[in-house]
Amino acid sequence: AQSVTQLDSQVPVFEEAPVELRCNYSSSVSVYLFWYVQYPNQGLQLLLKYLSGSTLVESINGFEAEFNKSQTSFHLRKPSVHISDTAEYFCAVRGTGGGNKLTFGTGTQLKVEL
Amino acid sequence: GAGVSQSPSNKVTEKGKDVELRCDPISGHTALYWYRQRLGQGLEFLIYFQGNSAPDKSGLPSDRFSAERTGESVSTLTIQRTQQEDSAVYLCASSLRTDYGYTFGSGTRLTVV
Repeated sequence: AQSVTQLDSQVPVFEEAPVELRCNYSSSVSVYLFWYVQYPNQGLQLLLKYLSGSTLVESINGFEAEFNKSQTSFHLRKPSVHISDTAEYFCAVRGTGGGNKLTFGTGTQLKVEL
Repeated sequence: GAGVSQSPSNKVTEKGKDVELRCDPISGHTALYWYRQRLGQGLEFLIYFQGNSAPDKSGLPSDRFSAERTGESVSTLTIQRTQQEDSAVYLCASSLRTDYGYTFGSGTRLTVV
């Protein structure tokens, strides 16, 4: 079984400032890792994923996340945020073995202010 | 369809009534999942269907909850004798068997009064 911890429930940040949303996971097996984003009044959308290969993965809108196996982390970063990045961000994990069930963290509300 | 469709988008029901929530996955997606998102909390796994295999029901919170799926198409989640603690957004997602990311629907917001 896997579990995900997102320690920060809310992260306020000014526009154009950098941001890091933390995600730590626990698993007895190898994992795939994901970040999902939920904009206000919308459904969840896949932001980026780590499956294998390079430990640094990027999204099309400037977010990146780095898989750190030794620290069991998959923190999400953006060097300069925009008002439109205001949303809830969920980290998720699943084992690489059989079954396809994602386990989600409790989410981090990113609020970008002017 | 182009995306995962859920209906109704909102449902208000009286305590003790039964409700049925519907999910239309993306055509060709063999895997279908139901999650529950309570206010201020993360996503809670409920049930997972993969093709013709037996569903993974390990997340269903009580025997008042059940779900069915016809082949690789529509799924319905039924909650019997609803309780106030069942109030939540119920999310459905689908994926290809070999895909690693889910596509989520917009959810059904259930309010039990």
